[in-house]
This record gives sequence, structure tokens and C-alpha cells, in this order.
Amino acid sequence: DGGITQSPKYLFRKEGQNVTLSCEQNLNHDAMYWYRQDPGQGLRLIYYSQIVNDFQKGDIAEGYSVSREKKESFPLTVTSAQKNPTAFYLCASSIGTGEQPQHFGDGTRLSIL
Amino acid sequence: GQNIDQPTEMTATEGAIVQINCTYQTSGFNGLFWYQQHAGEAPTFLSYNVLDGLEEKGRFSSFLSRSKGYSYLLLKELQMKDSASYLCARGSSYKLIFGSGTRLLVRP
Repeated sequence: DGGITQSPKYLFRKEGQNVTLSCEQNLNHDAMYWYRQDPGQGLRLIYYSQIVNDFQKGDIAEGYSVSREKKESFPLTVTSAQKNPTAFYLCASSIGTGEQPQHFGDGTRLSIL
Repeated sequence: GQNIDQPTEMTATEGAIVQINCTYQTSGFNGLFWYQQHAGEAPTFLSYNVLDGLEEKGRFSSFLSRSKGYSYLLLKELQMKDSASYLCARGSSYKLIFGSGTRLLVRP
């Protein structure tokens, strides 16, 4: 079945450590997105990519980095510069951008040790 | 969310009808989406409106008025499993802008 796979499901970060969250899709979608969700709040856009080898900052990109070397993969690195990384991270993809529905992975819950 | 307003919480009774409203900033509008999100899970796509009017999909319907910057999601014959957060999102250029979500509690 086609879908979006995020791993790991739970992740713990030590102070000063970078961690990378994986997102893979086999839907042949061009666009991919990373969101952060804090308890009781909506989704905030971190980064998005409309096509391979291209990506754009979203609303809260500071302290995060991404790459898009393959169409299927859009990993997110949470760097030590992100001082409040505890959140639920969601990856999504869509056929195009803007007016296309986005399909989400199951999320990664990141916590600080 | 950015210029998207929806109620924080609503309560309804099993078997009843509930309407969840969403207002949004109309500039740069490119379609209105509704998603359902159960606690701790990923959002799932429910509906998309780009033209004015009502779109019906089984027990769920979504309405859009572009001139008023207004949408609603209508849930009929409520079931306990409908207890979830409902996220309104508007398309804007290359991305979606999400509201903070409405948490719906369905009681027996």
C-alpha cells in the first residue's frame, strides 16, 4: 500500500545533540512538508519542498534543517539551536502544492532527556 | 493559526448534528480544507471546498462562502468515534495554513 512512513515513533534528545527524523513516501508525490504540533494547538509549518533538490522555510524554521535529495525522502534535523524541541512532528506530502490535499505520516514524538 | 479562527471546544450528544465554524482571511485564498485528528494520531483529510456551496460526503458535509471568508463542517448522526479535533486549513500559494483546531467531545 502507498503511504508515508515516519520513524522513529518516539525520540529522545539530549542537550546539545542534533537528531534526525525520517520521512519516506511511496505515493510519487512531488511536494513534502514538515509540521510541528504542540499540545492543544494546530500545525505550524517548519519547511516544505515542492520538488527534489529544492526546499523553502516555513513559519518556524529556526533551529531546524532539511534536505530533499530524493523524491521519496525528506528528513528533518532538529539541531541544538532549537531550544524547545519537545513536540509532535508530522510529515506530509501532496501531489502538488497549495490547493492539493496533504496526506500525513503517523508522526514522531520528540522529547528532551 | 494565521488568521484562521475556529472554536476551541464543542460538546454534542451521540446521534445529534453539530456544526463547526471556521473563518479565515480571504486574501490569497486557494481552497479550504477540513481534517480530522484523533488524539496522538495524524490528521486525516475530510473535505476540500474551492467553490461556494455545500459538499456532502456521507455523514459529513462542508460549506464555503468565499465572499464572507467562512466555512463550516457539519457532522450528522454523531457517533462516539467522532470525538476528535477538527482542523480547518486554507490553501495559500504553496502551502496550507492551519487553524488551531476544534476539539469535539461526543457524549452518550
